[in-house]
Amino acid sequence: GAGVSQTPSNKVTEKGKYVELRCDPISGHTALYWYRQSLGQGPEFLIYFQGTGAADDSGLPNDRFFAVRPEGSVSTLKIQRTERGDSAVYLCASSLSVGQGTDTQYFGPGTRLTVL
Amino acid sequence: RKEVEQDPGPFNVPEGATVAFNCTYSNSASQSFFWYRQDCRKEPKLLMSVYSSGNEDGRFTAQLNRASQYISLLIRDSKLSDSATYLCVVNSKAGSYQLTFGKGTKLSVIP
Repeated sequence: GAGVSQTPSNKVTEKGKYVELRCDPISGHTALYWYRQSLGQGPEFLIYFQGTGAADDSGLPNDRFFAVRPEGSVSTLKIQRTERGDSAVYLCASSLSVGQGTDTQYFGPGTRLTVL
Repeated sequence: RKEVEQDPGPFNVPEGATVAFNCTYSNSASQSFFWYRQDCRKEPKLLMSVYSSGNEDGRFTAQLNRASQYISLLIRDSKLSDSATYLCVVNSKAGSYQLTFGKGTKLSVIP
């Protein structure tokens, strides 16, 4: 079946611009996660959705970052006034349910964001 | 201290070798443990979950020592296709969904 998809696969933008990154989770998965992976590092948690609501946004680095999931399926990560330090691969994952941390999270291919 | 620490690597091993990766975690309340595999410029994929009793999947064996907060992965009879970065992953809070990843250890299996 179809896995998690993310668009665009690559995004190059200029410092100060606004970007949106999209994630389509696996059909039927209620939980959706955003992570960010910088070069040479493991992914770092940003935000988690259960259904339409952001259940935990403690990983968002600052108020320039915002994410929505209005219909409980597709999610958009929004970054305002981008900075060079925002350059990274943004990974989206989904899981069937929240469970107790044991549900397998399936990752999408990521969006590689480059801020010039 | 980082929440999840791994051997820095890289590990360069010949085909057929046995290789072991080690990982320690700082949060004693962590409940779930995993090894993920990540190929170059690809997304992480679950390799295996790690249980207290230890578990094996073909050539891969994972062990967990809760007292020492230590996780290991053993790969026997390495194949060229095993070349990847191996990420040690812990759920960072009890009953949590947040995954905390180590930096990963790069493995290159050489012909």
